Amino acid sequence: AQSVTQPDIHITVSEGASLELRCNYSYGATPYLFWYVQSPGQGLQLLLKYFSGDTLVQGIKGFEAEFKRSQSSFNLRKPSVHWSDAAEYFCAVGAQTGANNLFFGTGTRLTVIP
Amino acid sequence: GAGVSQSPSNKVTEKGKDVELRCDPISGHTALYWYRQSLGQGLEFLIYFQGNSAPDKSGLPSDRFSAERTGGSVSTLTIQRTQQEDSAVYLCASSPGRQNYGYTFGSGTRLTVV
Repeated sequence: AQSVTQPDIHITVSEGASLELRCNYSYGATPYLFWYVQSPGQGLQLLLKYFSGDTLVQGIKGFEAEFKRSQSSFNLRKPSVHWSDAAEYFCAVGAQTGANNLFFGTGTRLTVIP
Repeated sequence: GAGVSQSPSNKVTEKGKDVELRCDPISGHTALYWYRQSLGQGLEFLIYFQGNSAPDKSGLPSDRFSAERTGGSVSTLTIQRTQQEDSAVYLCASSPGRQNYGYTFGSGTRLTVV
């Protein structure tokens, strides 16, 4: 069965510090992988996605993520966090063929302290 | 429109009443999705529409939930005889095509059943 695990419910970092949010997935085949961000009272915004090719993908707002097949992981990183990055982050996985919906993790809430 | 529009943004209803939630997708997007986001949970897939094809209803939690999409555009999610466990944020998303995962989410409808 498909599943996405985000082991960190809440992370607090200082502004300017580096960030890594963890995501592990369970999937029967090579999946499509996504990171979304949700600010309070807002819908989800796509940060980046991996379909194939280079396993290091760049996204918006200075975020990047690396697909590691051997570890079934797709961790999100940012070298220097800004206060405006405080939000909820969701990892998601979807099929390359067949099923059309995405499976989401339970999210990681990021707090940024000045 | 420029984005995915959902209405109402907030809805409080009494247990046992029916509610209708509306989603207006981005013009030209053929795929439309409904997800439910409960407190502390990830996003739960509910239903998927693609063009004129029969919808994928595999995520609907009970027969109290139904959805329709008229003219390939606006969608309505209906919950009959609401229960307290239906309280959640209901998110709608649309994308350009069948295998294109460029989801754009609306801001959601926060449903509270009292």
